[in-house]
Amino acid sequence: GEDVEQSLFLSVREGDSSVINCTYTDSSSTYLYWYKQEPGAGLQLLTYIFSNMDMKQDQRLTVLLNKKDKHLSLRIADTQTGDSAIYFCAENSGGYQKVTFGTGTKLQVIP
Amino acid sequence: SAVISQKPSRDICQRGTSLTIQCQVDSQVTMMFWYRQQPGQSLTLIATANQGSEATYESGFVIDKFPISRPNLTFSTLTVSNMSPEDSSIYLCSVELGQGRAFFGQGTRLTVV
Repeated sequence: GEDVEQSLFLSVREGDSSVINCTYTDSSSTYLYWYKQEPGAGLQLLTYIFSNMDMKQDQRLTVLLNKKDKHLSLRIADTQTGDSAIYFCAENSGGYQKVTFGTGTKLQVIP
Repeated sequence: SAVISQKPSRDICQRGTSLTIQCQVDSQVTMMFWYRQQPGQSLTLIATANQGSEATYESGFVIDKFPISRPNLTFSTLTVSNMSPEDSSIYLCSVELGQGRAFFGQGTRLTVV
């Protein structure tokens, strides 16, 4: 079955850039997503990328996709304390298919 | 996007009882999904709920334990039956709004004692 892996924890200083990495196994993935979960809250869709793209930028967020290596990353520029959360990578093979979530990376921002 | 409201937001329940979680969406959607997030874990899909048909359950989840209703295109319920402490989790409902984008409710934090 599909598998989506992430490192469990990342710590950065406020103002630095954060890079959260994700690898996936399903070569038929059509869309890849990044979700943010703050403590006690549901999941918020941050951004997503179509599999025929290799980069997408949205304000402080940059998504890079290496489809050959099945590697997805999320870069957060000028990381703020409000960015502290768990970030989930997810993939979907298109249409009304289930979304498979990664294990989540807890981002800690040190003031 | 969509506004998805879940009730209750949290509950503490006695083992052996059942809890029904409600999910209301502000627009009509074909598919609604129910996920479980166990403490410190990622999300696991429980089932997919279509209006007018029985829910489709993922491996490891059964209708007797997690009955689901989907009476119309904006509403669904998930019941967690005969609860045990192992059912303590966050339960989230989700809708898909094109391009596979899943939007989530705020979740229901269930503690079984």
